[in-house]
Amino acid sequence: AQKITQTQPGMFVQEKEAVTLDCTYDTSDPSYGLFWYKQPSSGEMIFLIYQGSYDQQNATEGRYSLNFQKARKSANLVISASQLGDSAMYFCAMREARGNAGKSTFGDGTTLTVKP
Amino acid sequence: DTEVTQTPKHLVMGMTNKKSLKCEQHMGHRAMYWYKQKAKKPPELMFVYSYEKLSINESVPSRFSPECPNSSLLNLHLHALQPEDSALYLCASSPSGGLPMNTEAFFGQGTRLTVV
Repeated sequence: AQKITQTQPGMFVQEKEAVTLDCTYDTSDPSYGLFWYKQPSSGEMIFLIYQGSYDQQNATEGRYSLNFQKARKSANLVISASQLGDSAMYFCAMREARGNAGKSTFGDGTTLTVKP
Repeated sequence: DTEVTQTPKHLVMGMTNKKSLKCEQHMGHRAMYWYKQKAKKPPELMFVYSYEKLSINESVPSRFSPECPNSSLLNLHLHALQPEDSALYLCASSPSGGLPMNTEAFFGQGTRLTVV
């Protein structure tokens, strides 16, 4: 079974508007971490934001926030005030405490296009 | 210095060639990773080195041979590759391979490999 599901292959957003990228996950491990990465066409994976399974507050980093709903096993990324430079592929990833240390599972990604 | 540097950026090699990919980081990270990424797909973990020892090999064919000469350097030796091995090869590092969970991986820009 897929552990990380990103159901939106592609998304469009108007510049300066907010956009939500969906991510649901599946794990039986009570301790896990959720990550969002941005990958521009240049190829580099850029870390955006992290949410731990025991964190009480939703994570925020500048224009990025993570809408963490633990009971629903969802960790959606919200980008506020979109900029043209936000156009990229976005990956949600999970690392579980149990099992193979250092191994992250990635979703299939969402391609975001910001329109001027 | 918060960079992971990969060389070369692009590589074209024949099926009988031997080549190497190089990855370097000077952040004092003790875990380093190789990923393979096909176009529009998520990265697939190949190898993890933790404290210069190979800790994870995701059943990668022996034509890919990793090497970690020291804590800052990670190589991937390539021999007798197939055209289907053409992909973006990403290197990453993190402070440690295991817990704490909130240790994100820093990625390089990748090497775009074409096997002809």
